[in-house]
Amino acid sequence: DAGITQSPRYKITETGRQVTLMCHQTWSHSYMFWYRQDLGHGLRLIYYSAAADITDKGEVPDGYVVSRSKTENFPLTLESATRSQTSVYFCASSSVDTQYFGPGTRLTVL
Amino acid sequence: TQLLEQSPQFLSIQEGENLTVYCNSSSVFSSLQWYRQEPGEGPVLLVTVVTGGEVKKLKRLTFQFGDARKDSSLHITAAQPGDTGLYLCAGEKGYSTLTFGKGTMLLVSP
Repeated sequence: DAGITQSPRYKITETGRQVTLMCHQTWSHSYMFWYRQDLGHGLRLIYYSAAADITDKGEVPDGYVVSRSKTENFPLTLESATRSQTSVYFCASSSVDTQYFGPGTRLTVL
Repeated sequence: TQLLEQSPQFLSIQEGENLTVYCNSSSVFSSLQWYRQEPGEGPVLLVTVVTGGEVKKLKRLTFQFGDARKDSSLHITAAQPGDTGLYLCAGEKGYSTLTFGKGTMLLVSP
């Protein structure tokens, strides 16, 4: 199916564990983004990528790592999860001036 | 740093009422976008405004960009239960990245 998908949709992990959230888009959009959404903070940009092998930090990058070896994939890794990283994570890709969001991953860190 | 302030944060109205949501900033944006997000889903773009003073209409929704390109408003005429959702404004400053407001949660009761 065409579009943008995220996996897993729900994840529970423990403090200190490494977690990778996956994002895949079928449009070949150049730009891809990772946001987190928290009550009281809205959507905040974690990292973005302008093309394969080009990534840059957003507003809240600490504790996260990204890579983009292929245009269609943009995984987000929490190297050592903390409780403050409990959130809903959204991936998006961009065509011109429109960002298309995935359905989100709800991550709980115990 | 929160660059975009949305008001009100929450709005509960009856079907058929009119409402206006505001998005204000001290920064100038190259464009401003409005998204709607339903529970369990990612935001979906409603409109992009680019020119100062621009007005766009989408059925019962009217969007306006301020003359100085620092603020915007969303007016809904004769609200319906299907309009219920989280309304987000987002400003673009460059590199296709967006800064989001915290959102206005709208509840329209039958």
